[in-house]
Amino acid sequence: GAGVSQSPRYKVAKRGQDVALRCDPISGHVSLFWYQQALGQGPEFLTYFQNEAQLDKSGLPSDRFFAERPEGSVSTLKIQRTQQEDSAVYLCASSPELAGGATGELFFGEGSRLTVL
Amino acid sequence: KNQVEQSPQSLIILEGKNCTLQCNYTVSPFSNLRWYKQDTGRGPVSLTIMTFSENTKSNGRYTATLDADTKQSSLHITASQLSDSASYICVVYSSASKIIFGSGTRLSIRP
Repeated sequence: GAGVSQSPRYKVAKRGQDVALRCDPISGHVSLFWYQQALGQGPEFLTYFQNEAQLDKSGLPSDRFFAERPEGSVSTLKIQRTQQEDSAVYLCASSPELAGGATGELFFGEGSRLTVL
Repeated sequence: KNQVEQSPQSLIILEGKNCTLQCNYTVSPFSNLRWYKQDTGRGPVSLTIMTFSENTKSNGRYTATLDADTKQSSLHITASQLSDSASYICVVYSSASKIIFGSGTRLSIRP
């Protein structure tokens, strides 16, 4: 596609439910990032993939958060047993370069807004 | 600790006026710095990139500066338009493959 596509755009979950957020990056982009953005804050790093390899997951807040990119393209962020503090916008970004590359422009999707009741 | 701090946190100006947003960073090692614009409900979009050797770069009505010695950057917006209302995020790329985001400045342009 022309840009990074994320779905669903909006998700309301009851506390304790599992959710899955999907990211379809720009075709051919090797790097894929997940970020969590609270209201009025900048994006906070969650995890980074280089093709199918998850090279950095240091930002995942707990073991309830899990991300995968099995074929090096589409990625899924899964949150198990959601809690109210998980409410945020989850942004996916892709880049044609390896993390820390020469220009490093990130191309963001529009985000998935998760609300946990 | 690698940090990126932005000021002001929020800003309201009248349409047609100029403004300057500030970014101070303590990221090391430094690779480059980008300013992103994030419209409400959208993902951030890159406005400009500053490398270590660059002092000033313009993109239309946006002019970014970088002082690598003092580790400061600014984004100047000239002749503001209503469509400039957004959050502006300073992002510093470290040579250690880390990308550090500031919290952003929320800019509101009033007619």
